[in-house]
Amino acid sequence: GAVVSQHPSRVICKSGTSVKIECRSLDFQATTMFWYRQFPKKSLMLMATSNEGSKATYEQGVEKDKFLINHASLTLSTLTVTSAHPEDSSFYICSAGGPRGSGEPLHFGNGTRLTVT
Amino acid sequence: AQSVTQPDIHITVSEGASLELRCNYSYGATPYLFWYVQSPGQGLQLLLKYFSGDTLVQGIKGFEAEFKRSQSSFNLRKPSVHWSDAAEYFCAVGPYSGGGADGLTFGKGTHLIIQP
Repeated sequence: GAVVSQHPSRVICKSGTSVKIECRSLDFQATTMFWYRQFPKKSLMLMATSNEGSKATYEQGVEKDKFLINHASLTLSTLTVTSAHPEDSSFYICSAGGPRGSGEPLHFGNGTRLTVT
Repeated sequence: AQSVTQPDIHITVSEGASLELRCNYSYGATPYLFWYVQSPGQGLQLLLKYFSGDTLVQGIKGFEAEFKRSQSSFNLRKPSVHWSDAAEYFCAVGPYSGGGADGLTFGKGTHLIIQP
């Protein structure tokens, strides 16, 4: 079946540095990718929607200059957490879907545990 | 705006017993409904989905769910749970089967604990 690969699975960085998380769809073309953030014992919060070749659409309250999203191809989207701070520590999950109406449900990556020290 | 309610934060079930996880949704149009399972530190795995047709849908790992439009519910069931079913379960609703301009809206999850 379809697989979404997310890398890295864990990352520890120092406050003030930037971290890039990759999300790849391995066997289907993902016209749309979604980035979620999951707080401990909380549900997933949609951060942004990225469409291949265009700017990402951010949800209200999500800082677009802090969470840079690039969807350069139909198989790759990246989330860069810029100037990370301890409050950015969280579990980030990407998901990818096919074209609207394609019948392809969203598939999720295995997530990235970000710890900012 | 759409919303998903999973009224049970935790559920404890004995191994071999039956299971039902509740999910209620609010959505202005025909919903697409999903159940996902998440093991600790992992991403989400799709258990099953409902788009249209038969309101009782079968999924992986022996799970099934029933869509009841009149009750705005999409409860997940399993006749006999296994210890490996212990995980976090999320119900989600979306406007499309996949892709499109909108991501899924998730419930807050139900943590399933299996007693030996």
